[in-house]
Amino acid sequence: KNEVEQSPQNLTAQEGEFITINCSYSVGISALHWLQQHPGGGIVSLFMLSSGKKKHGRLIATINIQEKHSSLHITASHPRDSAVYICAGSNTGNQFYFGTGTSLTVIP
Amino acid sequence: EAQVTQNPRYLITVTGKKLTVTCSQNMNHEYMSWYRQDPGLGLRQIYYSMNVEVTDKGDVPEGYKVSRKEKRNFPLILESPSPNQTSLYFCASSEGPLRTYYGYTFGSGTRLTVV
Repeated sequence: KNEVEQSPQNLTAQEGEFITINCSYSVGISALHWLQQHPGGGIVSLFMLSSGKKKHGRLIATINIQEKHSSLHITASHPRDSAVYICAGSNTGNQFYFGTGTSLTVIP
Repeated sequence: EAQVTQNPRYLITVTGKKLTVTCSQNMNHEYMSWYRQDPGLGLRQIYYSMNVEVTDKGDVPEGYKVSRKEKRNFPLILESPSPNQTSLYFCASSEGPLRTYYGYTFGSGTRLTVV
């Protein structure tokens, strides 16, 4: 069993839809990261959060520490949001636990 | 422009021939790390460094070496590459644990093939 599990693995949405990607973790972490990887491979760090909620443009990330669960929401999705979204946990020892990613396709 | 620069972007080499993948950041970040990404396995941490002359092993350090002689540079060294090290490699940096709103800055990746 992976320390970090994401769902769904694959997601197809129509442009404009509200999207949610879920992440659950089973290990102790001090921070939860959301990463975006576009076709072609480059990785962008979207959020790092240790509690509560963060918002950047159309992206919102939340974390519930008691339930060991985080969500990434995309409002008014657009084809340029098509990418793989990766959840990762890190601890104070700088160990990283990566999920295997959610592949999102947004259809015009 | 704030960035992490990896070189080369693509490399094909033969088994046993020593190689170095360079990583440089211009943001005065303390923390740097290396990851490999493989289909079905996702990203895995190889080594990380909290500061100059301080390095630690990640999940998959076997077959790799690193050094941190200067704050800006964190090269990944494969002394004797083998085909199972064929992978996509990423370098990343950050100000340090829990001190960055958006997390980490990643390099563009190095696609290594060992034949």
